Amino acid sequence: GAVVSQHPSWVICKSGTSVKIECRSLDFQATTMFWYRQFPKQSLMLMATSNEGSKATYEQGVEKDKFLINHASLTLSTLTVTSAHPEDSSFYICSATRSGVGTQYFGPGTRLLVL
Amino acid sequence: DAKTTQPNSMESNEEEPVHLPCNHSTISGTDYIHWYRQLPSQGPEYVIHGLTSNVNNRMASLAIAEDRKSSTLILHRATLRDAAVYYCILRPLNSGGSNYKLTFGKGTLLTVNP
Repeated sequence: GAVVSQHPSWVICKSGTSVKIECRSLDFQATTMFWYRQFPKQSLMLMATSNEGSKATYEQGVEKDKFLINHASLTLSTLTVTSAHPEDSSFYICSATRSGVGTQYFGPGTRLLVL
Repeated sequence: DAKTTQPNSMESNEEEPVHLPCNHSTISGTDYIHWYRQLPSQGPEYVIHGLTSNVNNRMASLAIAEDRKSSTLILHRATLRDAAVYYCILRPLNSGGSNYKLTFGKGTLLTVNP
């Protein structure tokens, strides 16, 4: 099956620091990757769509300068939360699709706690 | 985006079948019906999808109404590991890039009793 990994699985950081989360497709080439955020007891909210080699498309209300996305290869996308604040504490989940297949394969998520 | 409506929660007993309903009365002719589920503290996982005909796979069955305005996800024998939030999502047929994006609603929280 298609496997997507995320690293780290959890991170605690101080307010004002930046945190990078990696999303990798382990056994397929992902033409498109998506980043979601999920607050406790809520549903997943799409933050941005990332296509390899091009700029990410951000959803309305998501600050592109705060949530930097880089999709440098067909197997790796990174999300950097810059100058993190406590309100950025959340569960961040990535997913990946491959060309011609509409199914999304999700990573296990990264839990971010900003103190 | 076409919306879906699901019950907030459902309960089932272990080893019994579960029928999870989804209404999507504004579905367009080119929308696929996708189901994903999210176990506690994990990322979602794909369950099944269909367009017009009923579908079966090793995880579940998907029954689609003839007018496509509703569908039902069927778990034939619920286990404790099936306890999760189940999301019914419509996705456009057109392929590529951001057209693959999914809009998650609140889903149905399935509790399975031993």
